[in-house]
Amino acid sequence: AQSVTQLGSHVSVSEGALVLLRCNYSSSVPPYLFWYVQYPNQGLQLLLKYTSAATLVKGINGFEAEFKKSETSFHLTKPSAHMSDAAEYFCAVIPVTGGGNKLTFGTGTQLKVEL
Amino acid sequence: GAVVSQHPSWVICKSGTSVKIECRSLDFQATTMFWYRQFPKQSLMLMATSNEGSKATYEQGVEKDKFLINHASLTLSTLTVTSAHPEDSSFYICSAQPHYEQYFGPGTRLTVT
Repeated sequence: AQSVTQLGSHVSVSEGALVLLRCNYSSSVPPYLFWYVQYPNQGLQLLLKYTSAATLVKGINGFEAEFKKSETSFHLTKPSAHMSDAAEYFCAVIPVTGGGNKLTFGTGTQLKVEL
Repeated sequence: GAVVSQHPSWVICKSGTSVKIECRSLDFQATTMFWYRQFPKQSLMLMATSNEGSKATYEQGVEKDKFLINHASLTLSTLTVTSAHPEDSSFYICSAQPHYEQYFGPGTRLTVT
């Protein structure tokens, strides 16, 4: 079964520092990959997605992610953190074949941005 | 584009009563909608997949008689929590899927007293 691993349930960075949130998937066939952000008491907002086109994907709010097949990874980065980036981030996958359209979520990473 | 709404955004009800939560795709049609439950500080747990015009498919361990799902049109799905109990208190989130990506509603906070 498809699984997603997010290393680090909590990440803390200083404002202006690089943000790196890690995501690894388990399947041998690269799935569709997504990053979502969730602010307190709100639903999920799609940040970006990988659907087998360009390996470097740019999303909203200055975030980007790079798909690396050799590492089965899809890490999320942002060059300079802003206080408003503090939120919960979820990596998620949908299998390209055989899994229906269900999203499998990682356990989430809480990003804290400090002054 | 791709806006999903949920109503109500929060609800408090007494134990034993039923609560209906609506999920609407406002600017697109979705043959498939999903219902999730989220406990504090945790990831989303898929409860069921709702397809327009057919019965919902429930995940293992989810009581279909307790969580009634109806997908009456391409823009509306409803989740009814029947005979609610305090342990049903949670954050319920729906999503709508026009293609392969899902767009999420803002969530409904249910508190059962």
